[in-house]
Amino acid sequence: SQQGEEDPQALSIQEGENATMNCSYKTSINNLQWYRQNSGRGLVHLILIRSNEREKHSGRLRVTLDTSKKSSSLLITASRAADTASYFCATGFILTGGGNKLTFGTGTQLKVEL
Amino acid sequence: AAGVIQSPRHLIKEKRETATLKCYPIPRHDTVYWYQQGPGQDPQFLISFYEKMQSDKGSIPDRFSAQQFSDYHSELNMSSLELGDSALYFCASSLVGTSGATTDTQYFGPGTRLTVL
Repeated sequence: SQQGEEDPQALSIQEGENATMNCSYKTSINNLQWYRQNSGRGLVHLILIRSNEREKHSGRLRVTLDTSKKSSSLLITASRAADTASYFCATGFILTGGGNKLTFGTGTQLKVEL
Repeated sequence: AAGVIQSPRHLIKEKRETATLKCYPIPRHDTVYWYQQGPGQDPQFLISFYEKMQSDKGSIPDRFSAQQFSDYHSELNMSSLELGDSALYFCASSLVGTSGATTDTQYFGPGTRLTVL
Protein backbone atom coordinates (compact mmCIF):
# COMPACT_ATOMS: atom_id res chain seq x y z
CA SER A 1 0.00 0.00 0.00
CA GLN A 2 1.15 3.52 -0.61
CA GLN A 3 2.80 5.15 2.37
CA GLY A 4 3.73 8.55 1.03
CA GLU A 5 1.77 11.20 -0.73
CA GLU A 6 3.74 13.94 -2.38
CA ASP A 7 2.70 17.36 -3.45
CA PRO A 8 2.70 18.97 -5.76
CA GLN A 9 2.42 16.19 -8.33
CA ALA A 10 4.06 18.51 -10.85
CA LEU A 11 6.10 21.66 -10.45
CA SER A 12 7.42 23.99 -13.15
CA ILE A 13 9.87 26.74 -12.25
CA GLN A 14 12.48 28.97 -13.84
CA GLU A 15 16.19 28.28 -13.53
CA GLY A 16 17.60 29.96 -10.44
CA GLU A 17 14.37 29.66 -8.45
CA ASN A 18 13.92 27.37 -5.45
CA ALA A 19 11.80 24.24 -5.63
CA THR A 20 10.00 22.78 -2.63
CA MET A 21 8.43 19.36 -2.60
CA ASN A 22 6.43 17.92 0.28
CA CYS A 23 5.87 14.36 1.40
CA SER A 24 3.36 13.05 3.92
CA TYR A 25 3.22 9.55 5.31
CA LYS A 26 0.96 7.51 7.53
CA THR A 27 2.89 5.17 9.82
CA SER A 28 5.94 5.35 12.07
CA ILE A 29 9.27 5.34 10.31
CA ASN A 30 12.94 4.85 11.10
CA ASN A 31 14.20 7.08 8.32
CA LEU A 32 13.11 8.89 5.20
CA GLN A 33 15.04 9.06 1.96
CA TRP A 34 14.71 11.21 -1.14
CA TYR A 35 15.51 9.93 -4.61
CA ARG A 36 15.67 11.49 -8.06
CA GLN A 37 14.70 9.68 -11.23
CA ASN A 38 15.18 10.89 -14.74
CA SER A 39 12.59 9.59 -17.17
CA GLY A 40 12.74 5.80 -17.33
CA ARG A 41 16.14 5.72 -15.67
CA GLY A 42 17.48 4.54 -12.34
CA LEU A 43 16.82 6.00 -8.91
CA VAL A 44 19.58 8.22 -7.60
CA HIS A 45 19.86 8.59 -3.85
CA LEU A 46 19.87 12.21 -2.71
CA ILE A 47 19.68 12.31 1.05
CA LEU A 48 18.64 10.29 4.10
CA ILE A 49 17.21 11.76 7.27
CA ARG A 50 16.66 9.67 10.38
CA SER A 51 13.56 9.83 12.55
CA ASN A 52 15.46 11.61 15.33
CA GLU A 53 16.72 14.32 13.00
CA ARG A 54 14.85 17.45 12.00
CA GLU A 55 16.92 18.90 9.19
CA LYS A 56 19.77 17.89 6.90
CA HIS A 57 21.69 19.64 4.18
CA SER A 58 23.61 18.35 1.21
CA GLY A 59 24.88 20.89 -1.29
CA ARG A 60 21.84 22.70 -2.70
CA LEU A 61 19.47 20.30 -0.98
CA ARG A 62 17.75 20.83 2.34
CA VAL A 63 15.49 18.23 3.85
CA THR A 64 13.26 18.66 6.88
CA LEU A 65 11.38 16.03 8.81
CA ASP A 66 8.48 16.58 11.19
CA THR A 67 7.56 13.25 12.74
CA SER A 68 4.68 14.78 14.73
CA LYS A 69 3.03 15.83 11.47
CA LYS A 70 4.37 12.81 9.57
CA SER A 71 5.75 15.01 6.85
CA SER A 72 8.98 15.91 5.11
CA SER A 73 10.03 18.51 2.62
CA LEU A 74 12.81 18.72 0.07
CA LEU A 75 14.09 22.13 -0.93
CA ILE A 76 16.33 22.53 -3.96
CA THR A 77 17.90 25.97 -4.03
CA ALA A 78 19.09 27.82 -7.13
CA SER A 79 17.61 25.20 -9.43
CA ARG A 80 19.20 24.27 -12.73
CA ALA A 81 17.78 22.78 -15.91
CA ALA A 82 19.66 19.58 -15.03
CA ASP A 83 17.47 19.24 -11.90
CA THR A 84 14.52 18.40 -14.16
CA ALA A 85 13.41 14.94 -13.00
CA SER A 86 10.92 13.11 -10.82
CA TYR A 87 11.58 13.24 -7.10
CA PHE A 88 10.39 10.52 -4.75
CA CYS A 89 10.33 10.34 -1.00
CA ALA A 90 10.63 6.89 0.51
CA THR A 91 9.94 6.02 4.12
CA GLY A 92 12.28 3.48 5.66
CA PHE A 93 11.42 0.81 8.21
CA ILE A 94 14.17 -1.29 9.74
CA LEU A 95 13.44 -4.98 9.25
CA THR A 96 14.03 -7.38 12.12
CA GLY A 97 15.26 -9.85 9.54
CA GLY A 98 17.84 -7.36 8.32
CA GLY A 99 17.70 -4.37 6.02
CA ASN A 100 15.64 -1.25 5.60
CA LYS A 101 12.36 -1.58 3.70
CA LEU A 102 11.42 1.45 1.62
CA THR A 103 7.91 2.50 0.74
CA PHE A 104 7.80 5.13 -1.96
CA GLY A 105 5.54 8.12 -2.36
CA THR A 106 3.81 9.12 -5.53
CA GLY A 107 6.56 11.46 -6.71
CA THR A 108 6.80 15.05 -7.87
CA GLN A 109 7.69 15.84 -11.46
CA LEU A 110 9.93 18.88 -11.46
CA LYS A 111 10.60 20.85 -14.62
CA VAL A 112 13.17 23.60 -14.55
CA GLU A 113 12.99 25.91 -17.54
CA LEU A 114 15.75 28.11 -18.88
CA ALA B 1 32.87 3.77 -7.15
CA ALA B 2 31.25 0.46 -8.01
CA GLY B 3 27.48 0.52 -8.31
CA VAL B 4 24.71 -2.03 -8.38
CA ILE B 5 24.75 -4.01 -11.60
CA GLN B 6 21.63 -5.44 -13.16
CA SER B 7 21.31 -7.68 -16.17
CA PRO B 8 19.88 -7.74 -18.67
CA ARG B 9 19.01 -4.07 -19.08
CA HIS B 10 16.19 -4.84 -21.48
CA LEU B 11 14.17 -8.00 -21.89
CA ILE B 12 11.31 -8.82 -24.20
CA LYS B 13 9.23 -11.92 -23.52
CA GLU B 14 6.00 -13.45 -24.72
CA LYS B 15 3.05 -14.16 -22.42
CA ARG B 16 3.44 -17.32 -20.37
CA GLU B 17 7.21 -17.36 -20.81
CA THR B 18 9.72 -17.17 -17.97
CA ALA B 19 12.34 -14.55 -17.22
CA THR B 20 15.33 -14.34 -14.89
CA LEU B 21 16.69 -11.01 -13.76
CA LYS B 22 20.09 -10.75 -12.11
CA CYS B 23 21.45 -8.29 -9.60
CA TYR B 24 25.02 -7.82 -8.39
CA PRO B 25 25.14 -5.61 -5.26
CA ILE B 26 27.79 -3.09 -4.43
CA PRO B 27 30.87 -4.96 -3.11
CA ARG B 28 30.61 -5.69 0.64
CA HIS B 29 26.87 -5.02 0.66
CA ASP B 30 25.00 -7.91 2.23
CA THR B 31 21.38 -6.90 1.64
CA VAL B 32 19.48 -6.89 -1.63
CA TYR B 33 16.03 -5.53 -2.41
CA TRP B 34 13.81 -5.88 -5.47
CA TYR B 35 11.28 -3.27 -6.60
CA GLN B 36 8.83 -3.12 -9.48
CA GLN B 37 7.92 0.18 -11.14
CA GLY B 38 5.03 0.20 -13.59
CA PRO B 39 4.63 2.99 -16.17
CA GLY B 40 3.99 6.29 -14.41
CA GLN B 41 3.96 4.55 -11.02
CA ASP B 42 6.14 4.72 -7.95
CA PRO B 43 8.44 1.77 -7.18
CA GLN B 44 6.76 -1.04 -5.25
CA PHE B 45 8.72 -3.27 -2.89
CA LEU B 46 8.76 -6.94 -3.89
CA ILE B 47 11.22 -8.81 -1.68
CA SER B 48 14.47 -8.43 0.23
CA PHE B 49 17.33 -10.63 1.40
CA TYR B 50 19.88 -10.23 4.12
CA GLU B 51 22.81 -12.64 4.32
CA LYS B 52 21.10 -14.96 1.84
CA MET B 53 17.92 -15.21 3.90
CA GLN B 54 14.64 -13.60 2.93
CA SER B 55 14.11 -10.65 5.27
CA ASP B 56 10.77 -9.36 4.02
CA LYS B 57 8.22 -9.91 1.31
CA GLY B 58 5.94 -7.35 -0.28
CA SER B 59 3.43 -7.50 -3.08
CA ILE B 60 5.24 -10.19 -5.02
CA PRO B 61 3.08 -12.56 -7.08
CA ASP B 62 3.33 -16.27 -6.36
CA ARG B 63 4.60 -16.67 -9.93
CA PHE B 64 7.76 -14.82 -8.90
CA SER B 65 10.55 -16.19 -6.76
CA ALA B 66 13.92 -14.88 -5.78
CA GLN B 67 17.03 -15.83 -3.89
CA GLN B 68 20.36 -14.46 -2.82
CA PHE B 69 23.42 -16.58 -3.47
CA SER B 70 26.62 -17.14 -1.51
CA ASP B 71 28.39 -14.36 -3.43
CA TYR B 72 25.48 -12.04 -2.48
CA HIS B 73 24.17 -11.65 -5.98
CA SER B 74 20.45 -12.16 -6.37
CA GLU B 75 18.13 -13.46 -9.05
CA LEU B 76 14.45 -12.75 -9.57
CA ASN B 77 12.66 -15.55 -11.41
CA MET B 78 9.38 -14.76 -13.07
CA SER B 79 7.18 -17.46 -14.57
CA SER B 80 3.91 -17.49 -16.55
CA LEU B 81 4.52 -13.90 -17.53
CA GLU B 82 1.50 -11.67 -17.99
CA LEU B 83 1.10 -8.40 -19.87
CA GLY B 84 0.81 -6.62 -16.53
CA ASP B 85 4.29 -7.72 -15.56
CA SER B 86 5.72 -5.23 -18.05
CA ALA B 87 7.64 -2.79 -15.86
CA LEU B 88 11.02 -1.56 -14.72
CA TYR B 89 12.52 -3.90 -12.17
CA PHE B 90 15.04 -2.36 -9.82
CA CYS B 91 17.47 -4.01 -7.53
CA ALA B 92 18.99 -2.09 -4.64
CA SER B 93 21.63 -2.97 -2.10
CA SER B 94 22.68 -1.80 1.31
CA LEU B 95 25.05 -2.82 4.08
CA VAL B 96 23.59 -4.13 7.32
CA GLY B 97 26.78 -5.73 8.52
CA THR B 98 27.94 -5.54 12.10
CA SER B 99 27.14 -2.84 14.60
CA GLY B 100 28.46 0.52 13.49
CA ALA B 101 28.85 -0.52 9.87
CA THR B 102 25.19 -0.37 8.97
CA THR B 103 24.02 2.01 6.28
CA ASP B 104 20.30 2.42 5.79
CA THR B 105 20.85 4.05 2.43
CA GLN B 106 19.75 1.90 -0.47
CA TYR B 107 21.65 2.23 -3.71
CA PHE B 108 19.70 1.37 -6.80
CA GLY B 109 20.82 -0.28 -9.99
CA PRO B 110 19.86 1.02 -13.43
CA GLY B 111 16.94 -1.37 -13.68
CA THR B 112 15.79 -4.03 -16.09
CA ARG B 113 13.03 -3.01 -18.44
CA LEU B 114 10.80 -6.03 -19.00
CA THR B 115 8.32 -5.95 -21.85
CA VAL B 116 5.78 -8.76 -22.10
CA LEU B 117 4.10 -9.09 -25.50
